[in-house]
Amino acid sequence: EVQLVESGGGLVQPGGSLRLSCAASGFTFSSYWMSWVRQAPGKGLEWVANIKQDGSEKYYVDSVKGRFTISRDNAKNSLYLQMNSLRAEDTAVYYCASAGGSGSYYQHWGQGTLVTVSS
Amino acid sequence: QSALTQPASVSGSPGQSITISCTGTSSDVGGYNYVSWYQQHPGKAPKLMIYDVSNRPSGVSNRFSGSKSGNTASLTISGLQAEDEADYYCSSYTSSSTHVFGTGTKVTVL
Repeated sequence: EVQLVESGGGLVQPGGSLRLSCAASGFTFSSYWMSWVRQAPGKGLEWVANIKQDGSEKYYVDSVKGRFTISRDNAKNSLYLQMNSLRAEDTAVYYCASAGGSGSYYQHWGQGTLVTVSS
Repeated sequence: QSALTQPASVSGSPGQSITISCTGTSSDVGGYNYVSWYQQHPGKAPKLMIYDVSNRPSGVSNRFSGSKSGNTASLTISGLQAEDEADYYCSSYTSSSTHVFGTGTKVTVL
């Protein structure tokens, strides 16, 4: 059974940093593009970033470029999101998702971890 | 990277069919056959319902179908059931090698 378990969320002050982790199991992690998707309270889904199987390609939504860094450790079956210079508008549930096909869709999702940016 | 446009809400009676539209541009929906649809119940993670415009993952009811014409993709739910009441989001690959989600549609079963 495929499992994606996010951790690392919490309350952080504006300008602060947080590192999210996603532990994957039940599939060959190193064979799939992986992504982070977020959802602000009461709002819709927003794609944040993705990373290729070997980490050689990474893409970000404009609003997080230069502040967030996606990475992965295939030996540990883990995905990460380093979030710096956090803003109130980054408050959201952050989902980890594995991509299917050539990375064109998200077939498996974690349950999410809540990040709250507030003073 | 503007969100794809979906109607805020769609409703139907049990047994009816409804269609949700998802409008983008030639740089996303119109440019690639990489449109997917997700169902999300309150407090739950999204679930993949349709991928690559019209393909259904294993385990998803054949009452769900997808299509695309130009810059607009559509999700049709036939034989509407109470359990279909949820939020639905489309998503597309873009020319910037990123992805973009739709604004979301709340489906209500009357």
